[in-house]
Amino acid sequence: GQQLNQSPQSMFIQEGEDVSMNCTSSSIFNTWLWYKQDPGEGPVLLIALYKAGELTSNGRLTAQFGITRKDSFLNISASIPSDVGIYFCAGRETSGSRLTFGEGTQLTVNP
Amino acid sequence: NAGVTQTPKFQVLKTGQSMTLQCAQDMNHEYMSWYRQDPGMGLRLIHYSVGAGITDQGEVPNGYNVSRSTTEDFPLRLLSAAPSQTSVYFCASGVDRRNTIYFGEGSWLTVV
Repeated sequence: GQQLNQSPQSMFIQEGEDVSMNCTSSSIFNTWLWYKQDPGEGPVLLIALYKAGELTSNGRLTAQFGITRKDSFLNISASIPSDVGIYFCAGRETSGSRLTFGEGTQLTVNP
Repeated sequence: NAGVTQTPKFQVLKTGQSMTLQCAQDMNHEYMSWYRQDPGMGLRLIHYSVGAGITDQGEVPNGYNVSRSTTEDFPLRLLSAAPSQTSVYFCASGVDRRNTIYFGEGSWLTVV
């Protein structure tokens, strides 16, 4: 089956720093999604990307759909303590096919 | 979270017992799915449905049954619980053509 590699697995940063994480796949995707999961909660959708090269922002978060259609990255600028959580990427090859999730990036922000 | 309701939030089962995790959404979403989340394993798809009366297997379907008799509900059944089914279960729904899904708050299941 297809593989989705998310990195890094974990990050420890200081408040105010910028953060970058990425996902790469073995297949071409037509959709990339980024989710954040707080402890004890379900994942919450942050950004959805539908076109190669697409760059989308949501507040301090910016995500891009790679032009090869096999990767995506998420940037968080000027991190704050409430950014702490697990960030998941997810991708889909075609409409109706299964959504595949990365294994997550655990983000810790030190005040 | 966008209108996906899961019950119960927490459950402890003995090996061999059966139970049903309930999932309901009020957004008229065509697509519904169940995932399990285990440490270091990310989210793995158990079963999914693209509409009422239609279900299909995901990545890890063994030991679980589902049905989709209505658009709103998508229950997940464990017929004979095993310790390996100790996990956090998430239901999700979405409009399939938009390729995005929204998660419930999760159900923590422990099988002893």
